[in-house]
Amino acid sequence: KAGVTQTPRYLIKTRGQQVTLSCSPISGHRSVSWYQQTPGQGLQFLFEYFSETQRNKGNFPGRFSGRQFSNSRSEMNVSTLELGDSALYLCASSEGGGSLETQYFGPGTRLLVL
Amino acid sequence: EDQVTQSPEALRLQEGESSSLNCSYTVSGLRGLFWYRQDPGKGPEFLFTLYSAGEEKEKERLKATLTKKESFLHITAPKPEDSATYLCAVRSMDSSYKLIFGSGTRLLVRP
Repeated sequence: KAGVTQTPRYLIKTRGQQVTLSCSPISGHRSVSWYQQTPGQGLQFLFEYFSETQRNKGNFPGRFSGRQFSNSRSEMNVSTLELGDSALYLCASSEGGGSLETQYFGPGTRLLVL
Repeated sequence: EDQVTQSPEALRLQEGESSSLNCSYTVSGLRGLFWYRQDPGKGPEFLFTLYSAGEEKEKERLKATLTKKESFLHITAPKPEDSATYLCAVRSMDSSYKLIFGSGTRLLVRP
């Protein structure tokens, strides 16, 4: 099975712009979670989608949003980018999102905000 | 509040020199503890899941163990290709939908 894929792998944006990142989960996986990884804060949970519904959200401002499509692919959007949004954005998928399930991560999208 | 602490922050070993990484956790009911390996510029790669105290899992040179307060990742006779950051994460009863990560241990194995 192919793993989790994320596009693009690298992005450079300027402050105030918006960005959309894409994630394709492992075939058959219906839950997609997004995490932000920075040197200072480590890995932090953004949100989780299952069957096109956002089930859970982390402590991030409303500028961070996402959605999931009927084929389980997911996108996340960050509007009005700030310098502090520079990070590695990771997508993880699991079969049903159950609390005992393992999450498998993609390679990430490296976002640099100038 | 659920917390995960990993130690040491960084570890340098000679090839063949065995050691252990520590992950201590404070959670409101553990649902699962997960170990990942992360290479620079890449996403975390799944290694092990542990669910209950006393459980152990092995894979090649790695062995993970779990107690009620901490987990250890034992590395036996490491090789340079084991160099990476090792991340520990937990799922708790209060926040079972997400992984709560520690800050990781950066391991360097010198030939």
